[in-house]
Amino acid sequence: GQQVQQSPASLVLQEGENAELQCNFSSTATQLQWFYQSPGGSLVSLLSNPSGTKHTGRLTSTTVTKERRSSLHISSSQTTDSGTYLCAIEPNSAGNKLTFGIGTRVLVRP
Amino acid sequence: GPKVLQIPSHQIIDMGQMVTLNCDPVSNHLYFYWYKQILGQQMEFLVNFYNGKVMEKSKLFKDQFSVERPDGSYFTLKIQPTALEDSAVYFCASSLLGAHEQYFGPGTRLTVL
Repeated sequence: GQQVQQSPASLVLQEGENAELQCNFSSTATQLQWFYQSPGGSLVSLLSNPSGTKHTGRLTSTTVTKERRSSLHISSSQTTDSGTYLCAIEPNSAGNKLTFGIGTRVLVRP
Repeated sequence: GPKVLQIPSHQIIDMGQMVTLNCDPVSNHLYFYWYKQILGQQMEFLVNFYNGKVMEKSKLFKDQFSVERPDGSYFTLKIQPTALEDSAVYFCASSLLGAHEQYFGPGTRLTVL
């Protein structure tokens, strides 16, 4: 079955609204990263957060390792936040490679 | 932050030709990776490489694929011969050690005609 599940599949926001994206994974993970993929396809690493809470700018990630879940909170969304947010884990048992979710597609309207 | 570079950004070739995708990883990193993303689909692991050797490869890493990093220069992915289904964006990544944060390049969009 799919190792990394992200929800919701898509999200539409009004500029200024907050959003919470979820990532659930089926195996214990030594590494967890959140990425932003632009509509043009380029990939940006947002946060590396295998456990606990991390902040960068308007983004906050909280990972609860033993519950195998992570969230990404976007505050005060902007139109430039539109794109796809990917969660990826490095499973304990699977060597050094990231397994990606399908992503959450976010559209922020002005 | 640390940057991974990929050359070229786009490549269009005819089916059956050889292609080499180049990656300039973060300078002190020891682990290198290739991932493949077909348009509109999930990012998938192809191969990782450490200490001059392939450590692990997925079923997507066909016999026509090879990787190397001669003398600490570019980390390359070679496809010979190419097939139509090889059309995708190929992302290179590197990490200082295993189970560390992976830094990704901007991708090479490969189109096989």
